[in-house]
Amino acid sequence: DTAVSQTPKYLVTQMGNDKSIKCEQNLGHDTMYWYKQDSKKFLKIMFSYNNKELIINETVPNRFSPKSPDKAHLNLHINSLELGDSAVYFCASSQGGPSTDTQYFGPGTRLTVL
Amino acid sequence: GQQVMQIPQYQHVQEGEDFTTYCNSSTTLSNIQWYKQRPGGHPVFLIQLVKSGEVKKQKRLTFQFGEAKKNSSLHITATQTTDVGTYFCAGTGRRALTFGSGTRLQVQP
Repeated sequence: DTAVSQTPKYLVTQMGNDKSIKCEQNLGHDTMYWYKQDSKKFLKIMFSYNNKELIINETVPNRFSPKSPDKAHLNLHINSLELGDSAVYFCASSQGGPSTDTQYFGPGTRLTVL
Repeated sequence: GQQVMQIPQYQHVQEGEDFTTYCNSSTTLSNIQWYKQRPGGHPVFLIQLVKSGEVKKQKRLTFQFGEAKKNSSLHITATQTTDVGTYFCAGTGRRALTFGSGTRLQVQP
């Protein structure tokens, strides 16, 4: 059983398009996250939700909009894609809050914007 | 804001040699976590250190948390090819995990 799953695994698209990435966790965790990992491997948190409520919203362009329909799902929608959005996007979850608990990462979605 | 730096960025060792990566935070941390990311994979949790001066071991891996809770290290004894990957420390302050820049380890058989 996959604990944290993401779809799609790969996403290749043109500049200006809108795309979504979906994430689901079956661990019963309360908190979910989106991270961006750039080509230099820097892992940067973008958003965090706790029980469907947004608790962390880092300095991310408002073209990125997370949505959490329930605590097991956290989706990421990106409008008007730009070249600089190319990266690997990881979803993660933890039982408790972001500052204390182990985070479980999904397999990642490699986004390439042409 | 909180910054977490790691050195070295990259290390290439012969199998059997030891390896150490160091993590330094600009602020005092509540705790520190270590993750390993295999090439093409996702970060996987290794360990969490909470107490000042704490030392924990997992087989050939030794983790230390500094007395001031601003730095940490991971030491691997007698590296194996399965140790290949990027090792990240992640420090927690008040809000969220801040990941270090990572150390990429390459092991030559």
